[in-house]
Amino acid sequence: EVQLVESGGGLVQPGGSLKLSCAASGFTFSGSAMHWVRQASGKGLEWVGRIRSKANSYATAYAASVKGRFTISRDDSKNTAYLQMNSLKTEDTAVYYCTRLYITMDAFDIWGQGTMVTVSS
Amino acid sequence: SYVLTQPPSVSVAPGQTARITCGGNNIGSKSVHWYQQKPGQAPVLVVYDDSDRPSGIPERFSGSNSGNTATLTISRVEAGDEADYYCQVWDSSSDHPFVVFGGGTKLTVL
Repeated sequence: EVQLVESGGGLVQPGGSLKLSCAASGFTFSGSAMHWVRQASGKGLEWVGRIRSKANSYATAYAASVKGRFTISRDDSKNTAYLQMNSLKTEDTAVYYCTRLYITMDAFDIWGQGTMVTVSS
Repeated sequence: SYVLTQPPSVSVAPGQTARITCGGNNIGSKSVHWYQQKPGQAPVLVVYDDSDRPSGIPERFSGSNSGNTATLTISRVEAGDEADYYCQVWDSSSDHPFVVFGGGTKLTVL
């Protein structure tokens, strides 16, 4: 079964750190670019960033709102992508989704169920 | 940065046709993708590259894109189509292409 499963969400204080994981199965993870998208409660989708495949040098890119604070990485041997979040702010509170970019479509065809991150004192 | 504008809400009676627009500067020159998101669920891709459907998506879902407006059309609307719909493009104006989502449109089936 093709799926993505996020984990690692929770409650963290402002200024704190959290690392999310995204475990993939059912497709060739190593060849896929992986993205993170977040959604605050009652709000729309916001792109967070992405990491490309080894063939594309594991290149990363980030939204301006998280650049310098968030880091995306991956471990192809574990079929897992990660989102390291540092210096968290209350406005980072959201459900975080990982998603696969299907290169043929240039669109996101597989999404995880999401993991909730709450930044609050 | 590139901005996509969607109407906050669209309402339609069952069996009728719903049209959800996505406005952007010369959006007709970009490929537009559409996602459906039901409450408490992850988004699902329903249309890609303006008008193509992924496997498993009903033919009732179609798309078009020209000028400054892209449109998702849902024919013979069913109660199960009630959801939020988001358009998405790639903004290639910087060194690295960025993902841009529209603000979303809530489709209500009357």
